[in-house]
Amino acid sequence: DAGITQSPRHKVTETGTPVTLRCHQTENHRYMYWYRQDPGHGLRLIHYSYGVKDTDKGEVSDGYSVSRSKTEDFLLTLESATSSQTSVYFCASQRESGANVLTFGAGSRLTVL
Amino acid sequence: AQTVTQSQPEMSVQEAETVTLSCTYDTSENNYYLFWYKQPPSRQMILVIRQEAYKQQNATENRFSVNFQKAAKSFSLKISDSQLGDTAMYFCAFMSEGTYKYIFGTGTRLKVLA
Repeated sequence: DAGITQSPRHKVTETGTPVTLRCHQTENHRYMYWYRQDPGHGLRLIHYSYGVKDTDKGEVSDGYSVSRSKTEDFLLTLESATSSQTSVYFCASQRESGANVLTFGAGSRLTVL
Repeated sequence: AQTVTQSQPEMSVQEAETVTLSCTYDTSENNYYLFWYKQPPSRQMILVIRQEAYKQQNATENRFSVNFQKAAKSFSLKISDSQLGDTAMYFCAFMSEGTYKYIFGTGTRLKVLA
C-alpha cells in the first residue's frame, strides 16, 4: 500500500544549496509531519501541518520551512543546506479521528557535503 | 514539555526467549497515548502496539505486550518468543490527546540472536 511516498529517496548536495523534499499521501489525512532521524537522537519533529496552509514548528525547526498547498502534499525546504542537516528525513501522516496512529513514508536520506 | 526516555541504547536476546524494552515519559497531562514503533533494517517505521492512558488494561498484540504503569510514567514493551525478524530499532512515542504532536524516544536497537 503506497499511502505515503517521499521524494527523492536519496540526495547528495553541497553546503549552501537549497533542497526541497516532497511528501505525498493518498490517505486524505489531515495531519502531516516531518521528522529527522539521527543516531542517538531518535526522531525529532521539524514541522507539522494540521490542514492546508496550516503549519507549526516542531522542536528542531531552525533552518527549515514547510508548505502545504494541498491536502496530499507537504514540502520540506532547506533554504541553504548545512552539513548539520545531513540526516534521514521521514514524513508521516495521520487522519483526524480514530486510533491516532502515524503512517510513515520510507524516508529520504540527505547528505550535505 | 513532554519527554520520552529510552535508557537502553542496545539489547540482544536469544531466539525464542523473552525481552523487555524500557520506556519512561514525563508529562503533566492526564489523557494521552503511548506507542511502540519498530524500524527494521529496511527503515520503514511500523506500529507495534498502542496504549490509551485512560485504559487500565495493558495492550497486547500477539507476541507483543506492554506493562503500562501510569503513576510511575513507565511503558515497557515485552516481546515473547523472540524471532529473528524482530531484529530492529524500537521507538517509544507519546502523544498528548488533542495535540497531534508525537514525541519519540531515542530508540533501542534490538538484536535477536540465532
